[in-house]
Amino acid sequence: QKEVEQDPGPLSVPEGAIVSLNCTYSNSAFQYFMWYRQYSRKGPELLMYTYSSGNKEDGRFTAQVDKSSKYISLFIRDSQPSDSATYLCAMNQYNNNDMRFGAGTRLTVKP
Amino acid sequence: GAGVSQSPSNKVTEKGKDVELRCDPISGHTALYWYRQSLGQGLEFLIYFQGNSAPDKSGLPSDRFSAERTGGSVSTLTIQRTQQEDSAVYLCASSQFNQPQHFGDGTRLSIL
Repeated sequence: QKEVEQDPGPLSVPEGAIVSLNCTYSNSAFQYFMWYRQYSRKGPELLMYTYSSGNKEDGRFTAQVDKSSKYISLFIRDSQPSDSATYLCAMNQYNNNDMRFGAGTRLTVKP
Repeated sequence: GAGVSQSPSNKVTEKGKDVELRCDPISGHTALYWYRQSLGQGLEFLIYFQGNSAPDKSGLPSDRFSAERTGGSVSTLTIQRTQQEDSAVYLCASSQFNQPQHFGDGTRLSIL
């Protein structure tokens, strides 16, 4: 079993839809959780950064962390074609730079 | 710019040749990472530098791979005697300690 599991998709939704992207993990010591967006032929770009459990909202994006279930989510509201990209979850322990990545979910938002 | 800079952006070379990939991290970032990303795959950790500490080389796939970081800033990843399976995108990232990593756009390496 991988330490971080992420459904690779692909996921295709119509413009305006609410998108839900998810990751599960096995290491209960993870404290910091991140979502990266990667456009084709570009490097991953930090999208959201959260600590421990709870929600964080930034514009159309909401990150949720449920440590009891070892489950994190990224919601995209009013999705746009420009949101079409691969989304990678990442996480690490406190005071530890060893970050673990999910495999990435490829999202296409169709106009 | 203030981001992580990688060069070259693309590299095509013949099997058996050596290649050097360069990473210029964000100024002031003490940590620097190298990853490999194959088509449709996740990020494969290669090596990690933190300040003046000995690097974590645990992800290097073979002794043909090596990396150095001079003066705590620029890093070079070297692949000797390249093989076709080395074809991939090589990504560099940097961070402050215990902060999220920031990535460059990678070097796309093709081995003919």
